Amino acid sequence: EDKVVQSPLSLVVHEGDTVTLNCSYEVTNFRSLLWYKQEKKAPTFLFMLTSSGIEKKSGRLSSILDKKELFSILNITATQTGDSAVYLCAVESLGGSQGNLIFGKGTKLSVKP
Amino acid sequence: DGGITQSPKYLFRKEGQNVTLSCEQNLNHDAMYWYRQDPGQGLRLIYYSQIVNDFQKGDIAEGYSVSREKKESFPLTVTSAQKNPTAFYLCASSHRGLNEQFFGPGTRLTVL
Repeated sequence: EDKVVQSPLSLVVHEGDTVTLNCSYEVTNFRSLLWYKQEKKAPTFLFMLTSSGIEKKSGRLSSILDKKELFSILNITATQTGDSAVYLCAVESLGGSQGNLIFGKGTKLSVKP
Repeated sequence: DGGITQSPKYLFRKEGQNVTLSCEQNLNHDAMYWYRQDPGQGLRLIYYSQIVNDFQKGDIAEGYSVSREKKESFPLTVTSAQKNPTAFYLCASSHRGLNEQFFGPGTRLTVL
């Protein structure tokens, strides 16, 4: 059975800290891995990763994929209170009857001032 | 502005009633999806549609029904057969064959 596991499930840090969120997966016919940020309602897209070892970067956020070890990390440096959200990892698997994306349960990040 | 809209924002239902959640998009996306989100459970796929007049069951389709008569619209009906319908429902869309899904603001359904 395809699955995506995120860790930790929740995390509390102080402003300025650096955090690393983890996402491991077991899927057949892997195509890509996506990160989303969900603050209150609609998840918003952060990154899509398809190749191992190539870092994607946007401001203080960065992410990398390891297709050999089947995981990805999302790094946030110099955290701010506005980074508080649930971060969702999703993996796209080709074929099957479950649609396109398999989501993890998310990591809830709380950044304290 | 292009985007996805869901209505209503909040919905209350009595046990035994069917309710329909609306999802509309003007992004010209072929594919549309319905997810359910419960606390600590992440997003679970209910139904998806890759093209008009066609849709497929996801992981948790029991107690739900959908239709896709128009490209822009993908309404979800929560039937009385759904045992535990209280949840946050998210609709998404994407270009067919592409994996980046855009999400609507969600509908929070509470069964009284």
